[in-house]
Formats: sequence, structure tokens, C-alpha cells
Amino acid sequence: GENVEQHPSTLSVQEGDSAVIKCTYSDSASNYFPWYKQELGKRPQLIIDIRSNVGEKKDQRIAVTLNKTAKHFSLHITETQPEDSAVYFCAASRGSTLGRLYFGRGTQLTVWP
Amino acid sequence: KAGVTQTPRYLIKTRGQQVTLSCSPISGHRSVSWYQQTPGQGLQFLFEYFSETQRNKGNFPGRFSGRQFSNSRSEMNVSTLELGDSALYLCASSLVGGREINEQFFGPGTRLTVL
Repeated sequence: GENVEQHPSTLSVQEGDSAVIKCTYSDSASNYFPWYKQELGKRPQLIIDIRSNVGEKKDQRIAVTLNKTAKHFSLHITETQPEDSAVYFCAASRGSTLGRLYFGRGTQLTVWP
Repeated sequence: KAGVTQTPRYLIKTRGQQVTLSCSPISGHRSVSWYQQTPGQGLQFLFEYFSETQRNKGNFPGRFSGRQFSNSRSEMNVSTLELGDSALYLCASSLVGGREINEQFFGPGTRLTVL
């Protein structure tokens, strides 16, 4: 099956700096890559996603890049704010197993004011 | 539209008991997936239902089962509870058309504690 690796496991940045979280996947058939943000005690929330026919996608301060050849994708958060502090999960999915997401282990992001 | 809802939000059970968790998807969503979240193992896929049929299954023992009703609501059942079943159980719903992968939206989860 698919294996998703996520790094780093913890990340601390100063407010206003950028944060980058990286994930790799093993199955070349994976074609959908969402990112979720989970605040303490809350549900995971979809913040951005990318499909394999796209190399980059942006939404305000958040961007995701995908390198299909290297099988890795990254989340970039610019101008970080304290409210960005949360656990971020990357995931991968493939057409043959619709409805199943393979998750990375998560990155605890802390933004210091 | 109302989001994904799960009931109950918290449960405390003892070893050997069984438990049933419920999930109501977003209106119009036909796929419901279940995940177990623990600090040690992260988010692990249990199973996915679409049109009342289990379409995908993760690597969990047969004590974990589920079903989906005609209104897309889903339940999962865990029999003969073990201490290691203590976790946050999350369900997620997805619109799901033909072969298109659609976004999954999570419910708030059910926190199960097994004593």
C-alpha cells in the first residue's frame, strides 16, 4: 500500500517567518494530496489540496507544491501568525482506493509572537 | 450546509464491552470513511462506505465493523473492547462522483476511553 512520510515532526518559527513542511509518498499511482490542520481538541480541517495534474497551488498565505517525479509534496505557509499554530497532516490518495486517505504522522507547528 | 456530525462525543467503556458510534455526513455526501487517531499511531484508516457498501478496508481486526444506511448515515461498532482501542474516532464524508477523488470533511470525533 501507500506510505506517506512527513518531516519535520515539530517546527517552531517566529511570527512573520515562513514555515515549510515536506512529505514523500511511495505509490506513483497516488494522484490527490490534501493537507489538514488540526488544532488542539478539534477536528482536522482541510486547508488546501493538489491533484497530480498540477504542480503548484496557492491560497493566500498557503501554497502547496508537488513533484511527481520525486514523489514529494510540500506545504508552505508565509507570514506565519500565532493562530497558525496547530498540527498539520499531509495525506495521499489514489483512484483505486477512493475514499481512503493515507496520512503522514503530522507536524506540530508553533508560531511564537 | 451543516457539517459532519458524530455522536456521542465522549464514551467511557470497560474492557470486553462493545460500542457503537454514529456519523451523519454532509447532506448530499454519499461516502463515509472512518479513521482512528492515537498519539502513537497517528491517523489510521478503518473502512469506507459508499452507497451502503464497504468499498475499502484498513488493517484492523474483525472486532471493528461498520455499516451505512440508505440515508448515508454510518455507524461503526467495536466489540470486545481492549485498552488499546482508546482513541479518537473520526469520520469523514465525501461527495464522490464517478472516479473523481473528492475532498473529505471530518466530523468532530468520538473520544473513546476503555478502562
